[in-house]
Amino acid sequence: ELLLTQSPDTVSLSPGETATLSCRSSQSGSSSNLAWYQQKPGQAPRLLIYAASTRASGIPDRFSGSGSGTDFTLTINRLEPEDFAVYYCQQYGSTAPRTVTFGQGTRLETK
Amino acid sequence: QVQLQESGPGLVKPSETLSLTCDVSGASVGSYYWTWIRQPPGKGLEWIGLINTSGGTHYNFSLMSRVTISVDSSKNQFSLKLTSVTAADSAIYFCARQNYYGPLYYMDIWGAGTTVTVSS
Repeated sequence: ELLLTQSPDTVSLSPGETATLSCRSSQSGSSSNLAWYQQKPGQAPRLLIYAASTRASGIPDRFSGSGSGTDFTLTINRLEPEDFAVYYCQQYGSTAPRTVTFGQGTRLETK
Repeated sequence: QVQLQESGPGLVKPSETLSLTCDVSGASVGSYYWTWIRQPPGKGLEWIGLINTSGGTHYNFSLMSRVTISVDSSKNQFSLKLTSVTAADSAIYFCARQNYYGPLYYMDIWGAGTTVTVSS
């Protein structure tokens, strides 16, 4: 069973700083098998990154994704007030039962 | 642009069937994969299942005995049915477009979500 573990659970930073969020997968597979989402209170998740490092349409370039194998990172440079939210990573399992799986989320809060 | 809107009862009794619909605008429902995801209050995201362009379905193993996802092309919508619900099925239910890149299935467009509470 695929398991995604995000760290830290919560990170406290100030606007202008850089956030580094991690996602570790229990399955080692394609380096393109990872997406990142942002969710603000009362809103649906929004796709930020797919294929580990490709920004979705309209996503600012201060958001970047990297990683391969089992370890992936979302970096947010020059934090803006609107970036404080919960971030989820997501994969599609490479072995049966294949499911879309999310990490537990990292809360990015204002220091 | 593509927009999605969930609809359905906000309150369902235990043991009954939860039924939700997602209206698709800006795209033909038969041209893409579609998916349902839920989020219990204060918790993370759980994928429920998807339907592909051929009408084939793929469900979360933990829910597959109770879930049916279907498409109605005449109404340009897709639907979710979840049978024998309990309080554990109370959640915000999101519909989304399921896109893919290589081995990755990801959700690029989401509805706003609809809250379903299971209670007598």
